[in-house]
Formats: sequence, C-alpha cells, structure tokens
Amino acid sequence: GNSVTQMEGPVTLSEEAFLTINCTYTATGYPSLFWYVQYPGEGLQLLLKATKADDKGSNKGFEATYRKETTSFHLEKGSVQVSDSAVYFCALRVSSASKIIFGSGTRLSIRP
Amino acid sequence: KAGVTQTPRYLIKTRGQQVTLSCSPISGHRSVSWYQQTPGQGLQFLFEYFSETQRNKGNFPGRFSGRQFSNSRSEMNVSTLELGDSALYLCASTGMASPGQRITDTQYFGPGTRLTVL
Repeated sequence: GNSVTQMEGPVTLSEEAFLTINCTYTATGYPSLFWYVQYPGEGLQLLLKATKADDKGSNKGFEATYRKETTSFHLEKGSVQVSDSAVYFCALRVSSASKIIFGSGTRLSIRP
Repeated sequence: KAGVTQTPRYLIKTRGQQVTLSCSPISGHRSVSWYQQTPGQGLQFLFEYFSETQRNKGNFPGRFSGRQFSNSRSEMNVSTLELGDSALYLCASTGMASPGQRITDTQYFGPGTRLTVL
C-alpha cells in the first residue's frame, strides 16, 4: 500500500543552522508529494509540492526535490529561523481522486 | 479569496453526546476531506466528499458520518461520543477553482475544530 515515512522528532537546532528532514515514500504509480507545516494551535498549511520526478518545490527558503530513484522528498533549508518552529508533515497523493497520506510529522524547535 | 472555514473552533462535549462540525470549502472547490488529528495516531483520514457523494472512506466506526450539500459545504457528525474522540478535526478542500481549470491535487486545510470529550 501507499505510505510515507519521515524522520522521528523532535529536531532541535540553533538559529541559522542547516535543516534536513528526511522523507521517503512507497506508492503505486506516480504520486504528487507535499510538505505541510502546522504552527502551534493552527491547521495545516501547504509549504511546497512537487508533482513529478526531479521537480523541485520551494517556498519561504525551504526546498524539496522529488527523487523517484530513491523514493524520497527530503525537506531542506539553508538557514533556519526561530519562526520556523513547527511540526512538518510529508505527504503524498496518488491521484486527485484519492486520499492524501501523511507521515507522522516531525516537530522542529529552533533556539535563538 | 477566502480560505477554508470551520465552525466551531472549539467544542466541549460529554461522553454519549453527539456533535456536528461544519466546513465551508474554498469557493469553487467541490471536494471536501475530513481528518482526525491526535497526538497518538497522528493524522488519520476520515472521509472525502465530492459533489455531494462520499468518494473515499477511512477506517473509522459508523459513529462517524458526514455529508455534503449542494453548495459544497460539508458537515461531519459523531454520535455516542467516547473519550478517545477528543481530537483536532481538520477539513480540507480540493478542486477546480473555475470551469475548465485542471483539478488540483493540493488540499487546502482549515484551522480545525478542537473537540474535547469529558
């Protein structure tokens, strides 16, 4: 079946550090891949997406590249800020008619 | 364009009661999905409605039900509440924003309804 596995948290970094949150997936066909972010007390916000192999999604300094050969979609940011503290979810959707499947989430805390 | 709205934002109920949550999707979106989020189970898919028909369903008991109206607004109902139903319930909408546009597979989430069962 389709599934998403992302690195366990929590992840704690100092401000301006480099961030990587690993995400791998198992899916039939060619899924679209997403990163969502959830700030404390809020719903999920779409951070970035990629719909085909080798696509790079980017937003707010975050990037992730759709790697079909390694079935991965790792999230990276070159210099994190305190305001990036949140829970990050990797997700996939096989088609627009199918449900979205989320990873377990990774809590990120950034120290000033 | 207004985002996904959910009402109420917070709700406190007691065991055995029933509850109805409401979701208004982004204008023009015809698909509405519901998710339950808990610290232990994470995000779990409840069901999806498209043009007033349930298109997908997750693994939840029959106490959880939903419906969608002709204006795409959706409601979910939980009957005979249990303590374990305490969660954040999230609604998400997807779909064509205007006729002829390709259906997007991106889901846009509302802020959620925090349900506490005592």
